[in-house]
Amino acid sequence: DTEVTQTPKHLVMGMTNKKSLKCEQHMGHRAMYWYKQKAKKPPELMFVYSYEKLSINESVPSRFSPECPNSSLLNLHLHALQPEDSALYLCASSQVWGHGTSSYNSPLHFGNGTRLTVT
Amino acid sequence: EDKVVQSPLSLVVHEGDTVTLNCSYEVTNFRSLLWYKQEKKAPTFLFMLTSSGIEKKSGRLSSILDKKELFSILNITATQTGDSAIYLCAVDNNNDMRFGAGTRLTVKP
Repeated sequence: DTEVTQTPKHLVMGMTNKKSLKCEQHMGHRAMYWYKQKAKKPPELMFVYSYEKLSINESVPSRFSPECPNSSLLNLHLHALQPEDSALYLCASSQVWGHGTSSYNSPLHFGNGTRLTVT
Repeated sequence: EDKVVQSPLSLVVHEGDTVTLNCSYEVTNFRSLLWYKQEKKAPTFLFMLTSSGIEKKSGRLSSILDKKELFSILNITATQTGDSAIYLCAVDNNNDMRFGAGTRLTVKP
């Protein structure tokens, strides 16, 4: 078990559905991340929130919409996905020291992921 | 563009062998280099390296960073079947954590 909790563990959705992935951490970390991981590939960064503000959006299609309601929660809203979006979606968090170009991160703590299948 | 390159991509050894995994990088605003082990689910943290030449050690695993030549190695001695996993190298580039492609290590009995 990890200190970053992701729900659901598995999700099957059709291309017209709207669903949300949830991530929660109570370690007081101020940076939270969404990664997408396809089989036999490394995690690919999607979004980074730092101090509850979106700091990085790696040109992710608009059918993926992140939300950070507070420092402990991170959501990923899904709408009109494609079958190629099927993957393991990993949430991670890290502590942040400093701001901007002088900031440093602790190692990432990962959740166990949500295995998403789009049919 | 920032790059993190791992080699080899795949490695098969027998129990008791020693392995060396490589990670080279080209990034702006380097902060630290991290090693993770991924089995079936979440990557788990192994080492965080920020200074050149200082070896970090945990049991049979050790790692070192060379900031002049921009690479790191991860050594595993006396490998066991439980070491079979994907080993990921990541670089913290000022609030952005980028991963290499990983090395898939298989340890045979």
